Amino acid sequence: AQKITQTQPGMFVQEKEAVTLDCTYDTSDQSYGLFWYKQPSSGEMIFLIYQGSYDEQNATEGRYSLNFQKARKSANLVISASQLGDSAMYFCAMRGSQGGKLIFGQGTELSVKP
Amino acid sequence: DTAVSQTPKYLVTQMGNDKSIKCEQNLGHDTMYWYKQDSKKFLKIMFSYNNKELIINETVPNRFSPKSPDKAHLNLHINSLELGDSAVYFCASSQGHRSTDTQYFGPGTRLTVL
Repeated sequence: AQKITQTQPGMFVQEKEAVTLDCTYDTSDQSYGLFWYKQPSSGEMIFLIYQGSYDEQNATEGRYSLNFQKARKSANLVISASQLGDSAMYFCAMRGSQGGKLIFGQGTELSVKP
Repeated sequence: DTAVSQTPKYLVTQMGNDKSIKCEQNLGHDTMYWYKQDSKKFLKIMFSYNNKELIINETVPNRFSPKSPDKAHLNLHINSLELGDSAVYFCASSQGHRSTDTQYFGPGTRLTVL
């Protein structure tokens, strides 16, 4: 069975500092995708970044990067230079090679302090 | 220019009623989904359609029935609403149902059953 684990229910970070949100996954699929989504207090789900299981380089999108360690089955999200607008719930998700559904972690609530 | 839209945004209704939520995407995607987010923010797949064909049907009560009139629309009809159906329902779409296909979410519909 596929599973995503986010062990940090809540985190605080000072504005302009970098922060790492942890995500570990479990799957027997050889081909899979890892995704991070942001959910601000307004409720929408915003796609941030994607990493494929066969990608050798870590994905980056602006201030977001994904620290992909395949052997350890981890896909941590790194946000550089945190901004107040980064305060939100962050979800790690995985999609295997069969079926196409996204499996979500429990989420991490990030609070950025001025 | 909304990519994935849902109506209504809020739905308050009495137990036992029947209600529908509509979803439309203008991204030209082939695959659409319904997810449920519970009060603890946990997200779980309910259904998925690919080109109007049902491909994922998770363990969901028969009171929930999806309908896809065309590949740009996926509606969710709920019969005999119960208190436990109160949640946020998200529609999403993706190009296909491969592990590499990113899912884009609608703004969500907050359903409250009284």
